[in-house]
Amino acid sequence: AQSVSQHNHHVILSEAASLELGCNYSYGGTVNLFWYVQYPGQHLQLLLKYFSGDPLVKGIKGFEAEFIKSKFSFNLRKPSVQWSDTAEYFCAALRTGTYKYIFGTGTRLKVLA
Amino acid sequence: DAGVIQSPRHEVTEMGQEVTLRCKPISGHDYLFWYRQTMMRGLELLIYFNNNVPIDDSGMPEDRFSAKMPNASFSTLKIQPSEPRDSAVYFCASTRAGNYGYTFGSGTRLTVV
Repeated sequence: AQSVSQHNHHVILSEAASLELGCNYSYGGTVNLFWYVQYPGQHLQLLLKYFSGDPLVKGIKGFEAEFIKSKFSFNLRKPSVQWSDTAEYFCAALRTGTYKYIFGTGTRLKVLA
Repeated sequence: DAGVIQSPRHEVTEMGQEVTLRCKPISGHDYLFWYRQTMMRGLELLIYFNNNVPIDDSGMPEDRFSAKMPNASFSTLKIQPSEPRDSAVYFCASTRAGNYGYTFGSGTRLTVV
């Protein structure tokens, strides 16, 4: 079955620490990959997306993600987190040509000031 | 651009009552999606429309749920009769053909008591 896995459910970091959130997908064929962020009490917002080309994708707010096809992974990274990055982060996959996302279960990040 | 507009923001209703959630997509977006978010199940796609036509309703949990899109600027999700297990945050999202990043609304937090 098609799925997106986020193995870290809760992450706690201190400000200025580096962040890496894992995302693995199980799809055959070509996929498009996304990271969304949901700040407390707010809606989901698109952080970055990968369609093709350079596997290192840069998004908003200093986030980046690397697509590693051989590992079926699309991990999210940020070199130095801030308190304002406290949020829930969702990885999502989309089979090329479709509009039906499969979301991961999300990772709750808490950044301590 | 006002974004995707959902109403109401919060709804508390008694079991057995009919609930109607509303969504206004971004003008020019021809895809509209309804998602449900719970702690237990994460984000679930309920149904999505293209040009006002339902394309995939396989995520609608049961016959108590129905969704309509009478025109390009309005959609409703109805639950009748509502049950406590329907308590969740319901998100509407929209996008334009060829643009696979969604814009989400602020959600409706539904509590069925």
